[in-house]
Amino acid sequence: DIQMTQSPSSLSASVGDRVTITCRASQNINNYLNWYQQKPGKAPKLLIYAASTLHSGVPSRFSGSGSGTDFTLTISSLQPEDFASYSCQHTFNYPFTFGPGTKVDLK
Amino acid sequence: QVQLQESGPGLVKPSETLSLTCTLSGGSISSYYWHWIRQTPGKGLEWIGYIYYSGSKYNPSLKSRVTMSLDTSKNQFSLNLTSVTAADTAVYFCARSSGYTYALDPWGQGTLVAVSS
Repeated sequence: DIQMTQSPSSLSASVGDRVTITCRASQNINNYLNWYQQKPGKAPKLLIYAASTLHSGVPSRFSGSGSGTDFTLTISSLQPEDFASYSCQHTFNYPFTFGPGTKVDLK
Repeated sequence: QVQLQESGPGLVKPSETLSLTCTLSGGSISSYYWHWIRQTPGKGLEWIGYIYYSGSKYNPSLKSRVTMSLDTSKNQFSLNLTSVTAADTAVYFCARSSGYTYALDPWGQGTLVAVSS
């Protein structure tokens, strides 16, 4: 199985901050990488697919980049509604696996 | 607007079968790929597998215990997980994807299933 790791596991930030989360795959996954946002007690929501394509309705302050094994999710200016957990997922081969998540909370 | 809703027992006894159903509204279940995912505090998100009109794919770690099915007449798909243990206690989600990126959207709200005697 492809192992997905994320860093940091948590971070504290303020409204307006630029936030970057890293996801790394244990082997090359091309651009088969998706990002999700999850708030407590809720289902994950798709933010970005194919590493860098913004899902419909997702604010443009979210962006994704990377290919191969290293990927980043960037929030250009953190908003109050962005305090949540963020997870990456690969869909390069089976089984699809998720990263452990990065929790973004208020500094 | 496509919406998914999980349903099923919230408590299952050890060694028995966990059965969940996901009902689709606002779309047709005859298209797309239909997934089950579960989440635990310890292991995080775990992909269980998917089913589509002409087949299915399961996580090898669960494959021997998992069966998924589609009911196009009811716009539903189902998960059966046999021989459950406490390790199967989790929040179970259903979700949809295309067959290209397999990005999951939308998701159901999730349902907590506890395995306990």
